[in-house]
Amino acid sequence: QVQLVESGGGVVQPGRSLRLSCVASGFTFSNYAMHWVRQAPGKGLEWVALISYDGGNKYYADSVKGRFTISRDNSKNTLDLQMNSLRPEDTAVYYCARDRGYSGYDSFDYWGQGTLVTVSS
Amino acid sequence: DIVMTQSPDSLAVSLGERATINCKSSQSVLYSSNNENYLAWYQQKPGQPPKLLIYWASTRESGVPDRFSGSGSGTDFTLTISSLQAEDVAVYYCQQCYSTPLTFGGGTKVEIK
Repeated sequence: QVQLVESGGGVVQPGRSLRLSCVASGFTFSNYAMHWVRQAPGKGLEWVALISYDGGNKYYADSVKGRFTISRDNSKNTLDLQMNSLRPEDTAVYYCARDRGYSGYDSFDYWGQGTLVTVSS
Repeated sequence: DIVMTQSPDSLAVSLGERATINCKSSQSVLYSSNNENYLAWYQQKPGQPPKLLIYWASTRESGVPDRFSGSGSGTDFTLTISSLQAEDVAVYYCQQCYSTPLTFGGGTKVEIK
Protein backbone atom coordinates (compact mmCIF):
# COMPACT_ATOMS: atom_id res chain seq x y z
CA GLN A 1 0.00 0.00 0.00
CA VAL A 2 1.02 3.60 -0.51
CA GLN A 3 3.06 5.01 2.34
CA LEU A 4 4.64 8.40 2.85
CA VAL A 5 6.85 8.85 5.89
CA GLU A 6 8.24 12.27 6.79
CA SER A 7 11.23 12.94 9.01
CA GLY A 8 13.57 15.74 9.95
CA GLY A 9 11.33 17.96 12.04
CA GLY A 10 12.38 19.47 15.33
CA VAL A 11 13.06 22.67 17.21
CA VAL A 12 15.26 25.21 15.46
CA GLN A 13 16.23 28.80 16.15
CA PRO A 14 15.08 31.61 13.88
CA GLY A 15 17.42 32.13 10.96
CA ARG A 16 18.70 28.55 11.01
CA SER A 17 18.10 25.75 8.51
CA LEU A 18 16.35 22.39 8.55
CA ARG A 19 15.91 19.66 5.95
CA LEU A 20 12.79 17.54 5.83
CA SER A 21 12.59 14.23 4.03
CA CYS A 22 9.73 12.04 2.88
CA VAL A 23 10.24 8.41 1.92
CA ALA A 24 7.66 6.95 -0.42
CA SER A 25 6.74 3.31 -0.91
CA GLY A 26 3.99 1.20 -2.42
CA PHE A 27 3.81 3.01 -5.76
CA THR A 28 5.97 4.10 -8.69
CA PHE A 29 7.30 7.31 -7.19
CA SER A 30 8.70 8.64 -10.45
CA ASN A 31 5.22 8.74 -12.03
CA TYR A 32 3.74 11.31 -9.64
CA ALA A 33 4.17 14.93 -8.73
CA MET A 34 4.65 15.57 -5.05
CA HIS A 35 3.85 18.39 -2.65
CA TRP A 36 4.66 19.78 0.75
CA VAL A 37 1.74 21.20 2.72
CA ARG A 38 1.94 22.70 6.20
CA GLN A 39 -0.44 23.37 9.03
CA ALA A 40 0.36 25.80 11.81
CA PRO A 41 -0.91 24.77 15.26
CA GLY A 42 -4.70 25.10 15.35
CA LYS A 43 -4.81 26.60 11.87
CA GLY A 44 -5.78 25.56 8.36
CA LEU A 45 -3.83 23.99 5.53
CA GLU A 46 -1.24 25.91 3.53
CA TRP A 47 0.33 24.57 0.36
CA VAL A 48 4.10 25.08 0.40
CA ALA A 49 5.68 23.64 -2.73
CA LEU A 50 5.27 21.21 -5.57
CA ILE A 51 7.65 19.29 -7.78
CA SER A 52 6.68 17.54 -10.98
CA TYR A 53 7.22 13.84 -11.53
CA ASP A 54 10.68 14.28 -13.03
CA GLY A 55 11.77 17.24 -10.95
CA GLY A 56 11.69 19.48 -13.98
CA ASN A 57 9.14 21.91 -12.59
CA LYS A 58 9.01 23.37 -9.11
CA TYR A 59 6.64 25.94 -7.65
CA TYR A 60 6.50 27.62 -4.27
CA ALA A 61 4.15 29.61 -2.10
CA ASP A 62 5.16 33.26 -1.91
CA SER A 63 5.65 32.87 1.84
CA VAL A 64 8.59 30.48 1.32
CA LYS A 65 9.93 31.46 -2.09
CA GLY A 66 13.66 32.08 -1.99
CA ARG A 67 14.03 30.35 1.38
CA PHE A 68 12.75 26.81 0.77
CA THR A 69 13.85 24.36 -1.93
CA ILE A 70 11.95 21.24 -2.91
CA SER A 71 13.80 18.33 -4.51
CA ARG A 72 13.37 14.66 -5.24
CA ASP A 73 15.48 11.60 -5.91
CA ASN A 74 13.49 9.14 -7.98
CA SER A 75 16.19 6.49 -7.61
CA LYS A 76 15.70 6.54 -3.84
CA ASN A 77 11.96 7.35 -3.72
CA THR A 78 12.60 10.40 -1.60
CA LEU A 79 11.21 13.92 -1.48
CA ASP A 80 13.04 16.66 0.39
CA LEU A 81 12.38 20.18 1.58
CA GLN A 82 15.39 22.31 2.41
CA MET A 83 14.27 25.15 4.66
CA ASN A 84 16.63 28.09 5.17
CA SER A 85 16.28 31.36 7.06
CA LEU A 86 13.51 29.91 9.17
CA ARG A 87 11.04 32.24 10.86
CA PRO A 88 8.70 31.71 13.81
CA GLU A 89 5.77 31.78 11.37
CA ASP A 90 7.18 28.67 9.69
CA THR A 91 6.23 26.69 12.81
CA ALA A 92 3.85 23.97 11.61
CA VAL A 93 3.29 20.32 10.92
CA TYR A 94 4.72 19.64 7.48
CA TYR A 95 3.04 17.00 5.36
CA CYS A 96 4.26 15.44 2.15
CA ALA A 97 1.46 14.54 -0.20
CA ARG A 98 1.16 12.71 -3.48
CA ASP A 99 -0.54 14.37 -6.41
CA ARG A 100 -3.00 12.31 -8.39
CA GLY A 101 -1.12 13.22 -11.55
CA TYR A 102 2.35 13.84 -12.87
CA SER A 103 2.34 17.62 -13.26
CA GLY A 104 1.13 18.75 -9.84
CA TYR A 105 -2.18 20.23 -10.84
CA ASP A 106 -4.52 17.70 -9.30
CA SER A 107 -5.73 16.76 -5.88
CA PHE A 108 -3.63 15.09 -3.19
CA ASP A 109 -4.65 11.47 -2.77
CA TYR A 110 -2.12 10.29 -0.19
CA TRP A 111 -0.60 12.14 2.76
CA GLY A 112 2.07 11.34 5.27
CA GLN A 113 1.49 11.65 9.01
CA GLY A 114 3.49 14.86 9.14
CA THR A 115 6.56 16.13 10.95
CA LEU A 116 6.49 19.06 13.36
CA VAL A 117 8.83 21.99 12.84
CA THR A 118 9.07 24.51 15.66
CA VAL A 119 11.01 27.71 15.08
CA SER A 120 11.77 29.35 18.38
CA SER A 121 14.65 30.90 20.25
CA ASP B 1 -3.83 34.10 -6.48
CA ILE B 2 -7.15 32.27 -6.30
CA VAL B 3 -8.82 32.88 -2.95
CA MET B 4 -11.01 30.10 -1.61
CA THR B 5 -13.79 31.13 0.76
CA GLN B 6 -15.68 28.52 2.72
CA SER B 7 -18.92 28.92 4.61
CA PRO B 8 -19.96 28.45 7.28
CA ASP B 9 -16.93 28.33 9.56
CA SER B 10 -18.69 25.70 11.62
CA LEU B 11 -21.98 23.88 11.75
CA ALA B 12 -23.74 21.51 14.08
CA VAL B 13 -26.01 18.90 12.57
CA SER B 14 -28.09 16.15 14.15
CA LEU B 15 -27.16 12.56 13.43
CA GLY B 16 -28.82 11.41 10.22
CA GLU B 17 -29.43 14.93 8.99
CA ARG B 18 -27.89 16.70 6.02
CA ALA B 19 -24.78 18.86 6.26
CA THR B 20 -23.94 21.35 3.52
CA ILE B 21 -20.64 23.19 3.14
CA ASN B 22 -20.06 25.90 0.57
CA CYS B 23 -16.87 26.94 -1.16
CA LYS B 24 -16.38 29.89 -3.46
CA SER B 25 -13.32 30.58 -5.57
CA SER B 26 -12.29 34.11 -6.55
CA GLN B 27 -11.98 32.99 -10.17
CA SER B 28 -13.16 30.05 -12.21
CA VAL B 29 -11.37 26.73 -11.70
CA LEU B 30 -13.03 25.15 -14.72
CA TYR B 31 -10.39 23.88 -17.14
CA SER B 32 -11.86 24.33 -20.60
CA SER B 33 -9.75 21.71 -22.36
CA ASN B 34 -11.32 18.83 -20.43
CA ASN B 35 -14.36 20.57 -18.88
CA GLU B 36 -13.28 19.58 -15.39
CA ASN B 37 -13.38 21.76 -12.32
CA TYR B 38 -10.08 21.55 -10.47
CA LEU B 39 -11.66 21.58 -7.04
CA ALA B 40 -11.09 19.03 -4.29
CA TRP B 41 -12.57 18.39 -0.85
CA TYR B 42 -10.70 16.96 2.11
CA GLN B 43 -11.70 15.72 5.53
CA GLN B 44 -9.37 16.12 8.50
CA LYS B 45 -9.98 14.52 11.85
CA PRO B 46 -8.04 15.61 14.96
CA GLY B 47 -4.46 14.40 15.00
CA GLN B 48 -4.69 12.99 11.49
CA PRO B 49 -3.58 14.16 8.05
CA PRO B 50 -6.24 15.28 5.60
CA LYS B 51 -8.06 12.66 3.57
CA LEU B 52 -9.17 13.21 -0.01
CA LEU B 53 -12.94 12.88 -0.37
CA ILE B 54 -13.84 14.46 -3.70
CA TYR B 55 -11.82 15.55 -6.73
CA TRP B 56 -12.81 17.33 -9.95
CA ALA B 57 -15.59 18.88 -7.86
CA SER B 58 -17.86 15.84 -7.93
CA THR B 59 -15.84 12.62 -8.32
CA ARG B 60 -15.78 10.59 -5.14
CA GLU B 61 -12.40 9.12 -4.22
CA SER B 62 -12.29 5.33 -4.01
CA GLY B 63 -13.56 4.05 -0.67
CA VAL B 64 -15.38 7.23 0.31
CA PRO B 65 -18.95 6.56 1.45
CA ASP B 66 -21.64 7.64 -0.98
CA ARG B 67 -23.23 9.92 1.63
CA PHE B 68 -20.50 12.39 0.61
CA SER B 69 -21.16 14.24 -2.61
CA GLY B 70 -19.73 17.28 -4.35
CA SER B 71 -21.38 19.64 -6.78
CA GLY B 72 -20.89 22.97 -8.48
CA SER B 73 -18.94 24.48 -11.33
CA GLY B 74 -16.90 27.54 -12.16
CA THR B 75 -16.64 29.42 -8.89
CA ASP B 76 -19.30 27.96 -6.61
CA PHE B 77 -19.10 24.52 -5.05
CA THR B 78 -20.84 22.47 -2.38
CA LEU B 79 -19.94 19.44 -0.29
CA THR B 80 -22.97 17.59 1.03
CA ILE B 81 -23.08 14.89 3.67
CA SER B 82 -26.51 13.41 3.11
CA SER B 83 -26.91 11.68 6.47
CA LEU B 84 -24.39 12.73 9.08
CA GLN B 85 -22.71 9.94 11.01
CA ALA B 86 -20.73 10.27 14.22
CA GLU B 87 -17.50 9.45 12.37
CA ASP B 88 -18.02 12.45 10.08
CA VAL B 89 -17.11 14.91 12.84
CA ALA B 90 -14.11 16.68 11.33
CA VAL B 91 -12.88 19.80 9.62
CA TYR B 92 -13.53 19.94 5.88
CA TYR B 93 -11.41 21.89 3.41
CA CYS B 94 -11.88 22.76 -0.22
CA GLN B 95 -8.85 23.29 -2.45
CA GLN B 96 -8.30 24.60 -5.93
CA CYS B 97 -5.78 22.71 -8.06
CA TYR B 98 -6.20 24.97 -11.08
CA SER B 99 -3.19 27.20 -10.68
CA THR B 100 -0.28 27.87 -8.41
CA PRO B 101 -0.20 28.86 -5.68
CA LEU B 102 -2.56 26.01 -4.90
CA THR B 103 -4.91 27.31 -2.23
CA PHE B 104 -7.21 25.91 0.43
CA GLY B 105 -10.34 27.29 1.98
CA GLY B 106 -10.23 28.18 5.64
CA GLY B 107 -12.04 25.02 6.72
CA THR B 108 -15.47 24.17 8.08
CA LYS B 109 -15.80 22.36 11.38
CA VAL B 110 -18.68 19.88 11.46
CA GLU B 111 -20.04 18.79 14.83
CA ILE B 112 -22.97 16.81 16.13
CA LYS B 113 -25.93 18.79 17.44
